[in-house]
Amino acid sequence: AQSVTQPDIHITVSEGASLELRCNYSYGATPYLFWYVQSPGQGLQLLLKYFSGDTLVQGIKGFEAEFKRSQSSFNLRKPSVHWSDAAEYFCAAAANQAGTALIFGKGTTLSVSS
Amino acid sequence: GAVVSQHPSWVICKSGTSVKIECRSLDFQATTMFWYRQFPKQSLMLMATSNEGSKATYEQGVEKDKFLINHASLTLSTLTVTSAHPEDSSFYICSATKTGGIGGYTFGSGTRLTVV
Repeated sequence: AQSVTQPDIHITVSEGASLELRCNYSYGATPYLFWYVQSPGQGLQLLLKYFSGDTLVQGIKGFEAEFKRSQSSFNLRKPSVHWSDAAEYFCAAAANQAGTALIFGKGTTLSVSS
Repeated sequence: GAVVSQHPSWVICKSGTSVKIECRSLDFQATTMFWYRQFPKQSLMLMATSNEGSKATYEQGVEKDKFLINHASLTLSTLTVTSAHPEDSSFYICSATKTGGIGGYTFGSGTRLTVV
């Protein structure tokens, strides 16, 4: 079955420190991959997405993600975290065909300490 | 850019009543729309996939008679929670993809449903 796994439920990072959120997928073929952020009580904001090509993807708010086919991973990174980055982060994937739904990982809660 | 409007943003209803949530694609045609449910501090769980003009496809465990989905046009899908109960209280989010498009998902802002 297709699935997306985010191994870390909760991560705390000091402000200014680097961040890496992990995401692994299980699909028959390489899916489309996405990272979303959600603040409490709010909707989803797309940070970045990967369809094909360059495996290092740049997104908004200084985030980037790297696709590694050999590890079935799509980890999200940020070199220096700001307090405003505290939120829930979701990795999601969709099969490469029209009409298929996004499947979400369980999410990682990011806390930022001062 | 693609915009999806979801209404209402929040709704409180009495147990036993029905609630309708609308999801509209404002500037594109959406053959396929998706409905998700999100319980507090949990992830988004796909409830159903709706295609314009046909019956929705529900995920395992989702009661199709309780969560009625209608996708009568290329720009509008509705989710009706029938005979709502407190356990149906949740955050409901819709998503739409452009007709003929692959990989582009636009989300509505969500509807917070509270059943009292």
